[in-house]
Amino acid sequence: NAGVMQNPRHLVRRRGQEARLRCSPMKGHSHVYWYRQLPEEGLKFMVYLQKENIIDESGMPKERFSAEFPKEGPSILRIQQVVRGDSAAYFCASSPPGGTANSYNEQFFGPGTRLTVL
Amino acid sequence: AQSVTQPDIHITVSEGASLELRCNYSYGATPYLFWYVQSPGQGLQLLLKYFSGDTLVQGIKGFEAEFKRSQSSFNLRKPSVHWSDAAEYFCAVGVPGGGNKLTFGTGTQLKVEL
Repeated sequence: NAGVMQNPRHLVRRRGQEARLRCSPMKGHSHVYWYRQLPEEGLKFMVYLQKENIIDESGMPKERFSAEFPKEGPSILRIQQVVRGDSAAYFCASSPPGGTANSYNEQFFGPGTRLTVL
Repeated sequence: AQSVTQPDIHITVSEGASLELRCNYSYGATPYLFWYVQSPGQGLQLLLKYFSGDTLVQGIKGFEAEFKRSQSSFNLRKPSVHWSDAAEYFCAVGVPGGGNKLTFGTGTQLKVEL
């Protein structure tokens, strides 16, 4: 059973370009989370998605960032008009469906995409 | 909002020595507690977790952690460190009813001297 897959592993963009980061969850997982890790910092939650639904985007910057998890295909984190401050490692995690509001489903992390903005 | 503090940014231990990595959290009740390890260029691997029950939790790779409610702590321990344990360690909390998202500490970088 393959783990969470992210591509590309490394992405270089110039200021003003768009960055598209892809995440394929583990087989059978329908929940996806995106986290950002700035240099010398821990991971910070960005967004939580289920298939075709954004459940919690409280950690997403208000502008330039968007995420989707379509019915078919990987989850996409899109950053428009990138700036140097967007340089970071972006991690995706997935978890299985089920659980309740007061339970927790373990998240499995991918290897991350390291974005460098020149 | 909940927060996680890992007071030690870097720790160096000799191979075979014992290890304790500190983690304190701020939350009004008992959160879900986790320790993850991140090797260079890799994703995060779950070492252990605490939801409820026995406050001493056993994890993979010989690690254990103890939840102390009175100190709001969840320190990670290993009795004898191996050179392959050199990595960055993150403590994280999840809030019951908080939708599964995790709040991470800033990490502790572990160096192992041979």
